[in-house]
Amino acid sequence: EVQLVESGGGVVQPWGSLRLSCAASGFPFDNYWMTWVRQAPGKGLVWVANINQDGLVKNYVAAVEHRFSIFRDNTKNLVYLQMDHLRAEDTAIYYCARQADLGGLDLWGRGTAVTVSS
Amino acid sequence: DIQMTQSPSSLSASVGDRVTITCRASQGISNYLAWYQQKPGKVPKLLIYAASTLQSGVPSRFSGSGSETDFTLTISSLQPEDVATYYCQKYNTAPPGITFGPGTKVDIK
Repeated sequence: EVQLVESGGGVVQPWGSLRLSCAASGFPFDNYWMTWVRQAPGKGLVWVANINQDGLVKNYVAAVEHRFSIFRDNTKNLVYLQMDHLRAEDTAIYYCARQADLGGLDLWGRGTAVTVSS
Repeated sequence: DIQMTQSPSSLSASVGDRVTITCRASQGISNYLAWYQQKPGKVPKLLIYAASTLQSGVPSRFSGSGSETDFTLTISSLQPEDVATYYCQKYNTAPPGITFGPGTKVDIK
């Protein structure tokens, strides 16, 4: 089955760290850019970061640059989001998504919830 | 950075109505524009990419048009199952990255 499954979310204190994982299956993982998108409670979608097929090109939204790091392991079909120095405003559901060759994010996971609170 | 805006922010229409949502980019983005549907409590779903290409499996009542800075998503005949928030999204532009619009919430009158 073609799917993405996120894990690693939870409750963390401000300035803490979390590592999210996204397990891909059912498609040639190393053929695709992968993306993380987040959605704060009751708010819209916000792109967080993406990474190219070989992991050498990474892009981040300004709000997380220098705090978050995206990386991937093509041998395990996993993409990660390392989140450091977390802030209350990072509280959101984090979705992993596949970037389609022709445009758009055509496959999404169900998301993992991150809550930053003392 | 390229900013994306959408109008209206919400709308209410009757079943069978034609519904149009507008998305505007602050700079020209060619046709690098996608539309998503997110039903309450659900994962976003890709509807349209390259401004006007319907994703496989999406009903033909959905259509997209536009280029550069002005884009529209049209639902030709609104159905109850179309209640959702719709987002536009730009991609493949410089600076690199993806930007979503703020969303348009569609309800049934």
